[in-house]
Amino acid sequence: LAKTTQPISMDSYEGQEVNITCSHNNIATNDYITWYQQFPSQGPRFIIQGYKTKVTNEVASLFIPADRKSSTLSLPRVSLSDTAVYYCLVGDTGSSASKIIFGSGTRLSIRP
Amino acid sequence: DGGITQSPKYLFRKEGQNVTLSCEQNLNHDAMYWYRQDPGQGLRLIYYSQIVNDFQKGDIAEGYSVSREKKESFPLTVTSAQKNPTAFYLCASSRVRQGGEKLFFGSGTQLSVL
Repeated sequence: LAKTTQPISMDSYEGQEVNITCSHNNIATNDYITWYQQFPSQGPRFIIQGYKTKVTNEVASLFIPADRKSSTLSLPRVSLSDTAVYYCLVGDTGSSASKIIFGSGTRLSIRP
Repeated sequence: DGGITQSPKYLFRKEGQNVTLSCEQNLNHDAMYWYRQDPGQGLRLIYYSQIVNDFQKGDIAEGYSVSREKKESFPLTVTSAQKNPTAFYLCASSRVRQGGEKLFFGSGTQLSVL
């Protein structure tokens, strides 16, 4: 099982770009990298998913180096509403979601 | 709107009582999951089901039971054997296919012991 390591917490200010890095040294060939966001007392919400290189959507960008042993979630121009816990998951969520491990995530705090 | 509905939002259990948490999805997903989340922690898998009438234990299945009689429904029963049931319970669903998929989550049920 691919274990991930990410910072326990991060602080930033409104309008800044925030980058959260996740380490996954034993990622397997079929594994995807997926990030979720969770607000208090709510279920996690999908943010972005990638396999290699760079993926961008309306919310975030995901940068994956060639060796795929790490990934970086980039949130442009954060606002107070981006304060949440962010989880980095590695695995094939389609065929083996039961093997996906949710770590403790990164608690992101945005200040005015 | 398509999505996953969990009910109730809050639930209280008395000593020795079994309680059932509801999870319904209208996304036509084959797979459904139950997770437990303790304060400040990540999610731990309780049970999952990839097809109707079949389900598998996750990492912390003891004290819990499930059924999957319909594709859209995956109720979780917290039995009296679960000695520390206070937690936030999350239901999720996904399609089953190779190549990566999203997990869709419900809004959760907070279970507390009276």
